[in-house]
Amino acid sequence: EVNLVESGGVVIQPGGSLRLSCAASGFTFDDYTMHWVRQPPGKGLEWVSLITWDGGSTIYSDSVQGRFTISRDNSKDSLYLQMDGLSTGDTAFYYCVKDSGRCTTGCTFDSWGQGTLVTVSS
Amino acid sequence: SYVLTQTPSVSVAPGQTARITCGGNNIGSKSVHWYRQKPGQAPVLVVYNDRDRPSGIPERFSGSNSGNTATLTISRAEAGDEADYYCQVWGSSSDHWVFGGGTMLSVL
Repeated sequence: EVNLVESGGVVIQPGGSLRLSCAASGFTFDDYTMHWVRQPPGKGLEWVSLITWDGGSTIYSDSVQGRFTISRDNSKDSLYLQMDGLSTGDTAFYYCVKDSGRCTTGCTFDSWGQGTLVTVSS
Repeated sequence: SYVLTQTPSVSVAPGQTARITCGGNNIGSKSVHWYRQKPGQAPVLVVYNDRDRPSGIPERFSGSNSGNTATLTISRAEAGDEADYYCQVWGSSSDHWVFGGGTMLSVL
């Protein structure tokens, strides 16, 4: 059974930095593209970033490009999101999401973690 | 940018059929995926590639996609189907993955 467990969500001041982690189990981690998707409390879903199975390619949404960095450590079955220059608009639940394959376009998100809440507030 | 439009809320009586729509420009040319999110829980994939169901999703859930509208159909609706439902597509190399705004399904 696929299991994705996010951690690292906290309350942080605007302008701060934070690193989220996701521990994966129940599947061959380095066979799959991984994503981060976020959801402001009470609002809809927004795709944030992806990283290919080997870490060789990363893509970001326009809203986080240049501020967030996605990475992975396949030896530890772990996914990360480094978040810099945080603003109140980044307040959201952040979900670690498994792709259905080694996709960079058009595939689906077949497993989601429970999410970790990042609150950016002064 | 590519935009997906969903009706904010849909109500259906128990045992009846619920239809949740997702509108987008020529969405019929894209593969549409649907997610269910119950309160306080993470989203769960219920339909992918317009009409396929992941293992464990009942046959009551089905999908279709044509023209400018994709539809998630839930037959014989149950109280346990109450949730927010989101559609998703790959928009383009600039839009990347796009979600609809979500539809809250009430079964009452």
